[in-house]
Amino acid sequence: GAGVSQSPSNKVTEKGKDVELRCDPISGHTALYWYRQSLGQGLEFLIYFQGNSAPDKSGLPSDRFSAERTGGSVSTLTIQRTQQEDSAVYLCASSPGTASGNTIYFGEGSWLTVV
Amino acid sequence: EDQVTQSPEALRLQEGESSSLNCSYTVSGLRGLFWYRQDPGKGPEFLFTLYSAGEEKEKERLKATLTKKESFLHITAPKPEDSATYLCAVRGQGGSEKLVFGKGTKLTVNP
Repeated sequence: GAGVSQSPSNKVTEKGKDVELRCDPISGHTALYWYRQSLGQGLEFLIYFQGNSAPDKSGLPSDRFSAERTGGSVSTLTIQRTQQEDSAVYLCASSPGTASGNTIYFGEGSWLTVV
Repeated sequence: EDQVTQSPEALRLQEGESSSLNCSYTVSGLRGLFWYRQDPGKGPEFLFTLYSAGEEKEKERLKATLTKKESFLHITAPKPEDSATYLCAVRGQGGSEKLVFGKGTKLTVNP
């Protein structure tokens, strides 16, 4: 597709349930990022994938959060045993590669509400 | 640790009233300062990348400038459709490709 595609666009889940959020990056982009945006807060880095390199997981807030990227393309962010504080917009982004200054392009986000 | 502070948090302008948004940063070796625009319910939309002090970039009514400590987004004769939240982010030399974002400036342009 022309841009970064995320699904679902909206998800309401009960506290304690697991959720999976999907991201399909721009075709040809080798780098993929997940960010979280809570109400009134800035974008918070979660995880970064680049090709076959080990991902940068330094932003994952707890071991309930995990992400994988299959075949160097589609990525899934999984949140286990969801808590109310996990309610936020989860934004996926991609960029062409690791050269300095590579622009990151964002999807529309997956809005997660934990009730 | 890389940090970005944006001011003001919110700004209201009348149509045609020019102003500037500020982005102050501390980073260990700047590898790019980025400006994004975010509309409600949407993902951030890329506007500009600046790499070195003195650099300027323009797009329609927007001009971004960069010094060693801050960046300004100048808005000339704004229109209501310029209303959005403007986000600033930096990429440092800390070995990570991540961008560190500020909390944004919410701009409202009244007709």
